[in-house]
Order: sequence, then structure tokens, then C-alpha cells
Amino acid sequence: EAGVAQSPRYKIIEKRQSVAFWCNPISGHATLYWYQQILGQGPKLLIQFQNNGVVDDSQLPKDRFSAERLKGVDSTLKIQPAKLEDSAVYLCASRVGLPPYEQYFGPGTRLTVT
Amino acid sequence: AQSVTQLDSQVPVFEEAPVELRCNYSSSVSVYLFWYVQYPNQGLQLLLKYLSGSTLVKGINGFEAEFNKSQTSFHLRKPSVHISDTAEYFCAVSDGGNEKLTFGTGTRLTIIP
Repeated sequence: EAGVAQSPRYKIIEKRQSVAFWCNPISGHATLYWYQQILGQGPKLLIQFQNNGVVDDSQLPKDRFSAERLKGVDSTLKIQPAKLEDSAVYLCASRVGLPPYEQYFGPGTRLTVT
Repeated sequence: AQSVTQLDSQVPVFEEAPVELRCNYSSSVSVYLFWYVQYPNQGLQLLLKYLSGSTLVKGINGFEAEFNKSQTSFHLRKPSVHISDTAEYFCAVSDGGNEKLTFGTGTRLTIIP
């Protein structure tokens, strides 16, 4: 079974530029998550999708971050414009809709904003 | 609201020695508890999970954890560590209702040859 795929793996941009990350979850996984992991911290949930609908985006900085999952499969997370404090690893995870609710994580995208 | 505390940010251990990584949680409801491992430049991999039943949970790579409801703890243990265990370890809690994972700040385990 293929795992969660993410691209790119690394990205360096200047502040005020825009960037987009892509995630393809495990086939059949209805729930998809985007996390932000700042160096030295645990992952923090940004947004949760159930199929193509948003379940929780309470911690997504909506003035600059946006995410979509149009067909209920792959997803894109965008930052526009980027700030220095957005430097982090962005992790995508997915799970099936049944207990035990185990989340499977992708390798992440390391973003550096200069 | 739920939260997780990992008191030890770094734990150095000699190879083949035992190790315990501490995790305490707070939640007002019944919880699910998880330990994830993150190797350098990789995503998180599930080590083990507690959902219900036996309080001693065994996971991959020889790790185990014990759920202690009275002390609200879920400490991770391994009787003999190997160089390949060098990684960051994250404890996470989820209450069954919202299925949302809240992570601790992580413990960096360094194995000394």
C-alpha cells in the first residue's frame, strides 16, 4: 500500500512570496490533515478535511493560508504572502473513517522563508 | 481542552541501556493515546497506541508503554536501546469525540555508543 505522498520535499522562498504544497493521501482515506511543525515543537493542526469538506480550520491563519481538497482526494495548502515565522515543516496525514483513528503521515515539506 | 506534556526535551542513553520517555496528559474525557517516532527528515511513524483494555501496550521496535489513568501518564519504555533508535519521539492524545490529535513538544533520544 502506497503511503501519503507530499511534494515538494524542500522549498526556499523570500518573505512576501507565495508557495503551494501538495498532498496525496493513502487511497480510500476520507480524512486528510495538514499540520505545521515548527523546529523544536510538536505538530500543530492547521486544517482537517472529511472528503472535500472542511471539518476544522480553527487554527489556520486565514488571512494568508488557504487549503482545498476539491475532489476529496489530493489536497493543496497555499501560503500567500509568506512571513519569516512560516518557516516550518508542513506535514500531511490521512486516515480511514473508522476506529482506531490512526493517522498516517507523509514525509513533509520543509519550508524556509528568508 | 486536551494537552500533552513531555517534560524531557532531550534524553541521552548509552547503547543497550534501558530508557523511559515520559508523557503526561490532561483531558476531561476518555482519551486515546499515541506515541509517534520521527527520524531525521522523515514524517511521523506510529510506534504504539492505547485505545482501551490492557494498560500495557506493546508496539514496534521493542517499545512498550503503560497507561496510568490515576497519574494521567503514558510513559514509553524500551529495555535495551540501539543506535537506530536515535530519533524524536512525540506523545499525542485524542479524545474519541473530536478525533483531533494534540501533540507534545517531543523528546529527542540520543543513543551514545
